[in-house]
Amino acid sequence: AQKITQTQPGMFVQEKEAVTLDCTYDTSDQSYGLFWYKQPSSGEMIFLIYQGSYDEQNATEGRYSLNFQKARKSANLVISASQLGDSAMYFCAMREGRGGYNKLIFGAGTRLAVHP
Amino acid sequence: DSGVTQTPKHLITATGQRVTLRCSPRSGDLSVYWYQQSLDQGLQFLIQYYNGEERAKGNILERFSAQQFPDLHSELNLSSLELGDSALYFCASSVGMGSSYEQYFGPGTRLTVT
Repeated sequence: AQKITQTQPGMFVQEKEAVTLDCTYDTSDQSYGLFWYKQPSSGEMIFLIYQGSYDEQNATEGRYSLNFQKARKSANLVISASQLGDSAMYFCAMREGRGGYNKLIFGAGTRLAVHP
Repeated sequence: DSGVTQTPKHLITATGQRVTLRCSPRSGDLSVYWYQQSLDQGLQFLIQYYNGEERAKGNILERFSAQQFPDLHSELNLSSLELGDSALYFCASSVGMGSSYEQYFGPGTRLTVT
């Protein structure tokens, strides 16, 4: 069965520094997608970045980049130049999609605190 | 703002009751997904609809049901509510039903069962 593991329940970082949030996954599928979502204290889920299993380049979106190591089955999120507004829960998710459906399996999340 | 709307934002009800959560997808999106986020189970996929038809089921209890209407809005019905059903319920939408489409989440409905 597909599984997402986030081993860091909590992380903290100084403002303007970079931080890496870990995510490992387990799947026997050749085709899959990996996502990162941010959940601030207000509760909404905000899509950050996507990496497809066949993408050769690591995905980047502004200050977010995904360090995709396929052989190690890891998809770590790197946030550069952290800001106070980055304090939130971060969820790694894997898309399980066969036969036209598209459900996301989420990890337990990492709570990031950015300190001034 | 993702463009996905959910109502109500908060809902407090008693055990044994029935409630309906409503979701309107982003304009142009045909797929709707429901997720439950609870303290003990984390974020779990419940069900997916595409253009009115059920496409996938996850860990959805028999007491729960959903549907997607011709105007593409969706409703999640929760009945015989138990204390353990207290959770944040998210609706998400995507353009298509295949696995290459990002899902955009609504703000969620926080359900409290007392």
